[in-house]
Amino acid sequence: GNSVTQMEGPVTLSEEAFLTINCTYTATGYPSLFWYVQYPGEGLQLLLKATKADDKGSNKGFEATYRKETTSFHLEKGSVQVSDSAVYFCALSEGAGGTSYGKLTFGQGTILTVHP
Amino acid sequence: DAGVTQSPTHLIKTRGQQVTLRCSPKSGHDTVSWYQQALGQGPQFIFQYYEEEERQRGNFPDRFSGHQFPNYSSELNVNALLLGDSALYLCASSFQGRREKLFFGSGTQLSVL
Repeated sequence: GNSVTQMEGPVTLSEEAFLTINCTYTATGYPSLFWYVQYPGEGLQLLLKATKADDKGSNKGFEATYRKETTSFHLEKGSVQVSDSAVYFCALSEGAGGTSYGKLTFGQGTILTVHP
Repeated sequence: DAGVTQSPTHLIKTRGQQVTLRCSPKSGHDTVSWYQQALGQGPQFIFQYYEEEERQRGNFPDRFSGHQFPNYSSELNVNALLLGDSALYLCASSFQGRREKLFFGSGTQLSVL
């Protein structure tokens, strides 16, 4: 079955530091890949996505590249802010025609804390 | 434009009881999915409703059931509650034509004692 593995957390950084959160996946076919963010007390929000190999998703200074050869979708940001403190989830969804189309499979989440 | 709304926000039940959680999708959305998020874990897919029918189901027992109403709102029912059912239950809505663009509610925190 499909699965997503994220790097162990929590991750603690100083403001303006570089961020990488690793994500690898196992899936049949050609899944779409996502990063969701969960701020304290709020629901999950889509941060960025990529739907095919070599696509780069980007939003709010975050970016991730769909690497089919390494089955990875690592999240990066060049300079984090205190307001980026949240839990980040990597997820995948099978493409159209897949038996699980529309169903998201999530990783376990990575807690990010950014200090001033 | 209201987003996805869930009620109640918190709930405490005892083992063996039954619970009903409610979800109103974002305006214009017709598909509702439910997820269970245990503490420190990622959300796990329970099931998805579209056109008042269950379209997909994850690896959850029959104690978990649902319903979708003509106005697209949805309920999640859990019977014979177990301690392990304690979790944050998330509802997500989407428009059928864009199933991958999900909007999540803030969830219902269920505690089973």
